[in-house]
Amino acid sequence: DGGITQSPKYLFRKEGQNVTLSCEQNLNHDAMYWYRQDPGQGLRLIYYSQIVNDFQKGDIAEGYSVSREKKESFPLTVTSAQKNPTAFYLCASKNSGTGGTEAFFGQGTRLTVV
Amino acid sequence: SQQGEEDPQALSIQEGENATMNCSYKTSINNLQWYRQNSGRGLVHLILIRSNEREKHSGRLRVTLDTSKKSSSLLITASRAADTASYFCATDQSFHLIQGAQKLVFGQGTRLTINP
Repeated sequence: DGGITQSPKYLFRKEGQNVTLSCEQNLNHDAMYWYRQDPGQGLRLIYYSQIVNDFQKGDIAEGYSVSREKKESFPLTVTSAQKNPTAFYLCASKNSGTGGTEAFFGQGTRLTVV
Repeated sequence: SQQGEEDPQALSIQEGENATMNCSYKTSINNLQWYRQNSGRGLVHLILIRSNEREKHSGRLRVTLDTSKKSSSLLITASRAADTASYFCATDQSFHLIQGAQKLVFGQGTRLTINP
């Protein structure tokens, strides 16, 4: 089945620890996105990538890092510099297209600092 | 900065009634999309309307777009309990000079509750 997969579903991080969230898609999409969602809030863009080895900061990139070494994969690292990382993280992918295309989302990773 | 801003933030109606949600945005767009999110899950795409379109239908969904007012509305007719979810608008903003490169920006969402 084609789709976008995030793992793990739940993740616990200790203070000062870096953690990496996985996002994999087999839809052959060019663009991939990471969003953060806090309780009862909308989605805020962390990083996005249009092609392999290229990515751009979104609105809240501080304390996060990404890589795009393969088209299928766009992992997000939450570093110790992110002071309030507890949130729901969503990954999405979409095709490029001048007319616009729909985004497909993973089921999310819920990160909690313990 | 958030591009799309939904209104109202929360809406509670009786089953069978129509639900209308609005979205406003600030910059020029290529298209506007609406998504649905069930609690604790990922988002699911509902409908896309391009900047040169004014209205679009999909089943019980009707979307309008007014680019002069930089606003859109989503109408769900004959609501059902299963429509209970959060609804988000999203706008495509071009970035880079790469053709088709798009930054997808979401609003705060409308939490819709359908009471049986």
